[in-house]
Amino acid sequence: KQEVTQIPAALSVPEGENLVLNCSFTDSAIYNLQWFRQDPGKGLTSLLLIQSSQREQTSGRLNASLDKSSGRSTLYIAASQPGDSATYLCAVRQSYGGATNKLIFGTGTLLAVQP
Amino acid sequence: DGGITQSPKYLFRKEGQNVTLSCEQNLNHDAMYWYRQDPGQGLRLIYYSQIVNDFQKGDIAEGYSVSREKKESFPLTVTSAQKNPTAFYLCASSKGQGVGGANVLTFGAGSRLTVL
Repeated sequence: KQEVTQIPAALSVPEGENLVLNCSFTDSAIYNLQWFRQDPGKGLTSLLLIQSSQREQTSGRLNASLDKSSGRSTLYIAASQPGDSATYLCAVRQSYGGATNKLIFGTGTLLAVQP
Repeated sequence: DGGITQSPKYLFRKEGQNVTLSCEQNLNHDAMYWYRQDPGQGLRLIYYSQIVNDFQKGDIAEGYSVSREKKESFPLTVTSAQKNPTAFYLCASSKGQGVGGANVLTFGAGSRLTVL
């Protein structure tokens, strides 16, 4: 059974720091991995999607990497800002189990960027 | 603007009552999903629908029911059989079910259900 783990559960950094969020998964048979952002009491916003054949994706100050063989992904945030404060979730899509779009989510990392 | 609308944002229910959460999308997406989010846990899939008049159970379907009579709408009913219904409920949709960009999910803002 696929399990997705995110460490740390919470992180507080001063503004301007570069930071790395970690996501690990137990089964490497995935189609893709997504990183989402969730603001308090709100829905999820997709940040980056990495296909299983890709090693990384970039969007602005965000860079996500994927090492499928070791079951790990990292989300790198450059020059963090207070507006980056949110919960960041990763999710993997299984490559088996029928024609479903089933995403397995991690529990998230709560990020606080202090001004 | 295209998007997903969930209502109500907050809902209070007495034990033993059924409640229905609304989810409407104007993205012309074929697939729609309901997830439940609890503190300290990842999102868990309740039900999903790939096409009108068809839906399948997710991982935690017991105590819930859905319908998909229109492409735009996928309401979720939390029945009295759901033993621990207090949670944050998220609706999502995607263009399709295939590999690649078509399966990127768009989420609504969520509905918070509290059982009194």
